[in-house]
Amino acid sequence: GAVVSQHPSWVICKSGTSVKIECRSLDFQATTMFWYRQFPKQSLMLMATSNEGSKATYEQGVEKDKFLINHASLTLSTLTVTSAHPEDSSFYICSAPRSGSNYNEQFFGPGTRLTVL
Amino acid sequence: AQTVTQSQPEMSVQEAETVTLSCTYDTSESDYYLFWYKQPPSRQMILVIRQEAYKQQNATENRFSVNFQKAAKSFSLKISDSQLGDAAMYFCAYRPEYGNKLVFGAGTILRVKS
Repeated sequence: GAVVSQHPSWVICKSGTSVKIECRSLDFQATTMFWYRQFPKQSLMLMATSNEGSKATYEQGVEKDKFLINHASLTLSTLTVTSAHPEDSSFYICSAPRSGSNYNEQFFGPGTRLTVL
Repeated sequence: AQTVTQSQPEMSVQEAETVTLSCTYDTSESDYYLFWYKQPPSRQMILVIRQEAYKQQNATENRFSVNFQKAAKSFSLKISDSQLGDAAMYFCAYRPEYGNKLVFGAGTILRVKS
């Protein structure tokens, strides 16, 4: 099956610094990728839709300037958490739908655990 | 806007027994997709089963089957012969026919007792 990777899998940073998380589709091209945030024992909360070649679409309540998304190529999207604070600590997951299948099956990355001290 | 509701925060099942996880959804669309995803402790999301709304036949994947009731907007997951490896958080999800954005339910934690 298709594979989506995320890097890093776990990151610890100091408050006030910025952290970049990469999401790559390894064996297919993805014009769209999705970024989710998940707290323990809770559901995935969609943060934004990353669009290759254009600006990301953010969900209501998500700060665009805090969570910068760049879809640099058809296989790479990045999420940068700027000026991170402890409340940004969470599990971040990306996903990418693979076009061409009969229902554009969506593939998920393994997630990135962010801890802000 | 579409919504997905999972009313069972936690469920338990004895190994080898059968368990059913509930899911209801709300949409005004006539064509869409429904999914069940499994998230084990590794937190990697795994597709368990999908159902196309235009298909009346319930989807089945080995020990996993669904009861899709379109009029009632209900989409339950039945796990037969439960195994220890089935222990995970299960999410019901909705996707419109056109578009790739998934709407997730709150999730159900499934515990399997040996």
